[in-house]
Amino acid sequence: SQKIEQNSEALNIQEGKTATLTCNYTNYSPAYLQWYRQDPGRGPVFLLLIRENEKEKRKERLKVTFDTTLKQSLFHITASQPADSATYLCALDRGSTLGRLYFGRGTQLTVWP
Amino acid sequence: GAGVSQSPSNKVTEKGKDVELRCDPISGHTALYWYRQSLGQGLEFLIYFQGNSAPDKSGLPSDRFSAERTGGSVSTLTIQRTQQEDSAVYLCASSLEGMNTEAFFGQGTRLTVV
Repeated sequence: SQKIEQNSEALNIQEGKTATLTCNYTNYSPAYLQWYRQDPGRGPVFLLLIRENEKEKRKERLKVTFDTTLKQSLFHITASQPADSATYLCALDRGSTLGRLYFGRGTQLTVWP
Repeated sequence: GAGVSQSPSNKVTEKGKDVELRCDPISGHTALYWYRQSLGQGLEFLIYFQGNSAPDKSGLPSDRFSAERTGGSVSTLTIQRTQQEDSAVYLCASSLEGMNTEAFFGQGTRLTVV
């Protein structure tokens, strides 16, 4: 079965620095990879989707890369702010009609002033 | 509504009782998913609906769990004879055309079995 690993359970960085979160997966290569943000007591919120033929996707201060050879995605938040503190989940999507999202356990990011 | 709505938001039940959790997806979304999230854990897939049919129910933990969807809209997740290990947050998500696009999640139902 698909296995997804996010580099660490927690990441603490100083405001203004770049946060880099890692998502590694095994077995099949997904057609899509998605990143979500989850705040305490709330459901995950979609951030970015990257397709297997895309190397990089950007949205404001967010950047996602997708390396199908390494079976890895990196999620970057530049100029981080305390408001970026949350749990970030990566999810793999096979892109089939019977697809479902496999979620990693998430990385809890804390940005301190 | 504007988003995915789940009810109740919180449910405390006694061990052995049955519970029903409801999900109202975004109008027009054909795909609907149920996930379970225990404290400090990732999202555990339970079941996927495409329209009213469930092509993938492989994540249901036991035969005490069942789900249905009617009219291609509202879905109900039923847990019979609840056990303490069923305590978790149950999240519903919906999307267009399967999962090739972003999923929209509800706020979840926090179930506590005492």
